[in-house]
Order: sequence, then C-alpha cells, then structure tokens
Amino acid sequence: EPEVTQTPSHQVTQMGQEVILRCVPISNHLYFYWYRQILGQKVEFLVSFYNNEISEKSEIFDDQFSVERPDGSNFTLKIRSTKLEDSAMYFCASSETPDVSYEQYFGPGTRLTVT
Amino acid sequence: DQQVKQNSPSLSVQEGRISILNCDYTNSMFDYFLWYKKYPAEGPTFLISISSIKDKNEDGRFTVFLNKSAKHLSLHIVPSQPGDSAVYFCAARMDSSYKLIFGSGTRLLVRP
Repeated sequence: EPEVTQTPSHQVTQMGQEVILRCVPISNHLYFYWYRQILGQKVEFLVSFYNNEISEKSEIFDDQFSVERPDGSNFTLKIRSTKLEDSAMYFCASSETPDVSYEQYFGPGTRLTVT
Repeated sequence: DQQVKQNSPSLSVQEGRISILNCDYTNSMFDYFLWYKKYPAEGPTFLISISSIKDKNEDGRFTVFLNKSAKHLSLHIVPSQPGDSAVYFCAARMDSSYKLIFGSGTRLLVRP
C-alpha cells in the first residue's frame, strides 16, 4: 500500500540553526500538508500546498517557515532559525484532491528537538 | 483552538465489548468529520469519516454517529479487539478550508 514517508525520523538541532524536514508524498497525490504536534498538545495544521503554491497557512506558519517541492517527489519544510518552542513532532500529509471527503494520508513524522 | 474537543483522555474496555469514543465541536460550519487512529511512533491513520449531512456511517466494526443539534459525534467499535488499542483523534474540516482541526485524542486500551 502506498504511504507517505518522512526523513529523518529524529532531528536534533541547536537554537538558531536552520533545519529542513523532508517528505515523499504518495505518488499520485497533488495536495500536500504539514502539521505539527507539540508534546502533550493537539495536532495543529501548519500549511497546505498545491501546484507549487501555498494554498492555506495557519498563524503558526510565519516567516521562519517555508515549504518547497524541489523535484517531482519531495516536499520539504524549512525552519530558518529554530527556536526552543519549535520542538515538536512534524507530520507531512498528502491527498489526491482537496475535496473535503478525501482523507489526508499522514507520514510517520519527524521528531524535531531544538536545544 | 477549542473548536474540537475530546473530553476523555483515556478509555479502557474489555475485549469483545463496545468502545465508545466521544467528540464535541463548537463550529457549526464544519462539513466533514473524521476519525484517525494513531499508534506510537506512527502518523495518524484514517479510520472513518462522516459528512455533516448524514447522521451515521458504518464500516465493518466501526460506526460513527453525528448529532448536529448537539454538535456531538461518537465512534463505536464493536467488538473491540486488543489491536484497537491506540490514540483516537477526532478531526473536522470545512469545505472552504484545507486544514483538519483535531481534538486532543483519547487513548483506548482494550484489555484481553
């Protein structure tokens, strides 16, 4: 069964450093998403992406964050200058269409630890 | 963001019995509701969904009920199996938005 994959599974970085989290969405999916879950809190939406453009973003997704589809398979989330509060589990998701009845398929997540 | 709430952090049931997981929401504009299951070290996995125009959707052992007047939905698992032990998230979406809004999750333990 096709699945969303994410690398690395765990990333440790120092405050102020840039990190790039990578995702390979399901191959025939066209809509991509990033969510995060801070320990003990809810899963929160960050951004959605289609046709090389951000289609929606949350208040969390400020200028420190960016997304990119650098090639035909990868989808990346970059945090320019990490803060302690960016420590969280980051989930990539993809869907075939944006239709509300089509589920979003989630990857296993990348645990980001900012020290 | 308190739009989707799961007030029970945990639930324990005996194998073979019914598990009922509850979810409340405050935004009457939600068009679709979904349940995701999550095992440790994995991402959320889609389980079942329901449109806001329906009041019930069934898929095998899983049934979701929606009560729009009460802004409440529930997930029934019958019969419960030990492999169902996981964290269950309720989520909601509006037609006009791409984002899923999640509840805080309920940890289900099914005892053999």
